[in-house]
Amino acid sequence: DTGVSQNPRHKITKRGQNVTFRCDPISEHNRLYWYRQTLGQGPEFLTYFQNEAQLEKSRLLSDRFSAERPKGSFSTLEIQRTEQGDSAMYLCASGVMSEQYFGPGTRLTVT
Amino acid sequence: DQQVKQNSPSLSVQEGRISILNCDYTNSMFDYFLWYKKYPAEGPTFLISISSIKDKNEDGRFTVFLNKSAKHLSLHIVPSQPGDSAVYFCAASTLGGGADGLTFGKGTHLIIQP
Repeated sequence: DTGVSQNPRHKITKRGQNVTFRCDPISEHNRLYWYRQTLGQGPEFLTYFQNEAQLEKSRLLSDRFSAERPKGSFSTLEIQRTEQGDSAMYLCASGVMSEQYFGPGTRLTVT
Repeated sequence: DQQVKQNSPSLSVQEGRISILNCDYTNSMFDYFLWYKKYPAEGPTFLISISSIKDKNEDGRFTVFLNKSAKHLSLHIVPSQPGDSAVYFCAASTLGGGADGLTFGKGTHLIIQP
C-alpha cells in the first residue's frame, strides 16, 4: 500500500498528558499537511511542510502543538498538556501539485 | 466566518438518478476547488478538482461546475450508485497549486436509496 499512513489510529489519554502522532506520506510527495476534524465539521488546516521546512501555521496551532518533519520524510505532531478540547480526528495529507491525499487519521480522545 | 459553505447537511437520491451537491464560497481569492468523499472511520478521498480558469471538469461519472461570478460550484454524479453514499466535502485554496491549507465546507451526507 503506497498511500498516506498514520499511527496510531486511536489514542485515549488523560488531560494534561502529552501525545505524539506520526504520519508517513506518499514517498514522492514533498508537501505534507496536518488538519484537525471535529464532529460535524470539515477538516481544519493546522500546518504545512515543504520538504523539511514548516512554511505555514494556522492560528489554530497553539503553543502546545508542535510539528516536525525531519529529513523531509515522515512527520510528527505533538500535543503537550492535552485538554478535552483537543479531542478530534487528526488528519495528515501529502501532495506534489494541486491535490492533497489524506491518510486515515488518528482519533484522539482526551478524558 | 465560514468561507466555504455547504448548505445541505444531507441529500437523498434514488439509485440511477443524478446527485447534485452544491457549494458556495465567499473568498474571491480562492482559485482552486476540490471535492472529497469520506466514509466513516476513513480519511477524505480526493475525487475531482477544478481551476478557476475553467468552468467545467469531468471525470467518469463525476462532473464539477464552477460559476465564478456567483461564487458557486457543484458536483454532479451520474448515475448515482449505492457506493456513492458518503459525506462529500467541498474545499478551496488560494494559491492555485494547493501549496497552502485547504478550506473545507462542513460536508453533505449523500444517501443513495435503492
